Amino acid sequence: KAGVTQTPRYLIKTRGQQVTLSCSPISGHRSVSWYQQTPGQGLQFLFEYFSETQRNKGNFPGRFSGRQFSNSRSEMNVSTLELGDSALYLCASSARLAGGPSSYNEQFFGPGTRLTVL
Amino acid sequence: GIQVEQSPPDLILQEGANSTLRCNFSDSVNNLQWFHQNPWGQLINLFYIPSGTKQNGRLSATTVATERYSLLYISSSQTTDSGVYFCAVRGNTPLVFGKGTRLSVIA
Repeated sequence: KAGVTQTPRYLIKTRGQQVTLSCSPISGHRSVSWYQQTPGQGLQFLFEYFSETQRNKGNFPGRFSGRQFSNSRSEMNVSTLELGDSALYLCASSARLAGGPSSYNEQFFGPGTRLTVL
Repeated sequence: GIQVEQSPPDLILQEGANSTLRCNFSDSVNNLQWFHQNPWGQLINLFYIPSGTKQNGRLSATTVATERYSLLYISSSQTTDSGVYFCAVRGNTPLVFGKGTRLSVIA
């Protein structure tokens, strides 16, 4: 079974531009989550989607948005890029939205998109 | 929200040595995962272990949910074990990560 895929793998943008990142979950997985990783803040949760609905949102400004399609693929968008948005953006999928302790809630991560804002 | 603390923050080992990494969390959790982040940034799943003990080759993990901690054991370490090890937990919030333990294994 193919793993989580993310495109593009690397991206260079300038301040003020916008960017769209894409994530394809493992086949059959319906939950997709996004995380931002920076050296200073570590791994921080951005959004979580299940059945095309945003179920949770992290503490990020409104410039960060996302969506999920009917085939469970997800995109995230960052508008008006700032230097501080430079980071590794990781997408994860799981079979279902977390509930009790079940292996169906195990999250699997993609290789990430490394965004550099100049 | 849930706080996750990992120790030690950094660890340097000679090849062949054993190590124990610790993850403490501040509230009850439903899920706990251990990951290894390779130099390219990919998070590799090591264990899904909300409670109990699991083993996979030279790695094993134990979670004592009632006492809010988990341990990751690495035996006979190899240079390929180098990287950052993360613990992540989930209660009623999305997955929360610790700051990681950076492991360097020297030949």
